[in-house]
Order: sequence, then C-alpha cells, then structure tokens
Amino acid sequence: DSGVTQTPKHLITATGQRVTLRCSPRSGDLSVYWYQQSLDQGLQFLIQYYNGEERAKGNILERFSAQQFPDLHSELNLSSLELGDSALYFCASSPSVGTGEKLFFGSGTQLSVL
Amino acid sequence: GESVGLHLPTLSVQEGDNSIINCAYSNSASDYFIWYKQESGKGPQFIIDIRSNMDKRQGQRVTVLLNKTVKHLSLQIAATQPGDSAVYFCAENGSSNTGKLIFGQGTTLQVKP
Repeated sequence: DSGVTQTPKHLITATGQRVTLRCSPRSGDLSVYWYQQSLDQGLQFLIQYYNGEERAKGNILERFSAQQFPDLHSELNLSSLELGDSALYFCASSPSVGTGEKLFFGSGTQLSVL
Repeated sequence: GESVGLHLPTLSVQEGDNSIINCAYSNSASDYFIWYKQESGKGPQFIIDIRSNMDKRQGQRVTVLLNKTVKHLSLQIAATQPGDSAVYFCAENGSSNTGKLIFGQGTTLQVKP
C-alpha cells in the first residue's frame, strides 16, 4: 500500500458527461501529480500541484482541470468526455517539489466512456 | 520532445534465471532515474532509483546500471520469480525542476515456471 488513495476505482459514464476523480496523497506529501495511462500512450503526465499551487503542466486537455485543496487532497475534473478519454488515471504524491524524488502512486481510477 | 524508450516490449524468462530490462533515455539533462513495476490492476510500484553521479545501485535482488555516455539504463533482476511477472517502466526527471517524471512505454516481463 503506497499510502495514496484514489476514488472511485471504476467510473463508467457517457460521452459529453463530466466526472471528478479524487486523490488523497500520502500523509505529509505536498506534491500531487496526475497521470493518464492508455494502451497506446503509456503513462502521460497531466499536471502537478504543490501545496495548493499548480507547479507543472503536461499534455493536459483544456477540457480537463485540476485543483489541490488546503487539506492537500486533489481532484481531477474531466468534462465533455469523449470515447478517447477512456483510460486509467493515476495520482501520485511526493514529499516536496524537488527534482529527484520518487513518486508514490495510487491504484488508479479506471474511466470508461461509452 | 523528451522521451524515454524501452528496447523490448516483452521479455520472457525462465523462473530462476536473471532478467535484464533495458531502457534508453534522450534528455542529457536528466539526473535522476527510476524503475517502477506495475502489476495488473495496480498502480506503479517503486523498485529502485539512481542518480547521475552513480553508475550502479543495488537493492534486494535488483540492480540498476546507468551509462550516461550512451544514455542507457538497465534493470537486472536476479533469480527471477513468478511474482516478478509485471510491466516494468523506466522514468527520468528530464530537464524540469518540478519533480515530475517522464515514463517510457514499458516492458512486459513474463516468467515461465
């Protein structure tokens, strides 16, 4: 158990809908990262938050947004969903923002867009 | 753009043999490298990491080798066990200072009993 909690584990929805994925980092970790894993793209970095502030952005679509709350949990919002958004979404956390730290991953949310 | 690539998509080994999984990275500015193991239905799990000031690092049954000259990383697993069957990812920190990791595509390790 990595200590990173993601909910829900599975999410099935329809195209055009909006969903929210939730992540609670390890106790004491200030950085939260979101990754998308699809069969043909591997693990793709989406966005990082550090202590409530956006720290880095990857190839995140404009339809996607995230935030980190004062209690350090994070939410990833996916809107106007398309079939191609079906993927595993992972949250990871690390103690700080310094480069050269291992990331601890949650067990992921499997999103299926029908 | 930045990329980390794996040489082989699938590696099949006999139980008890040693396994070697290779990885090429493209960003010369990367100074931190890490291997993760991902079992079916689970998130990536840390195996071992190495910084660029080292060439080799050993863990329990695993060794990571770093060759900065040719930008190559390898993971060696000694006495491979059925429980080692999983997808293995290498990752690098790239040129950013944010902490994010850039992942390769992954190699599937199959252990035959």
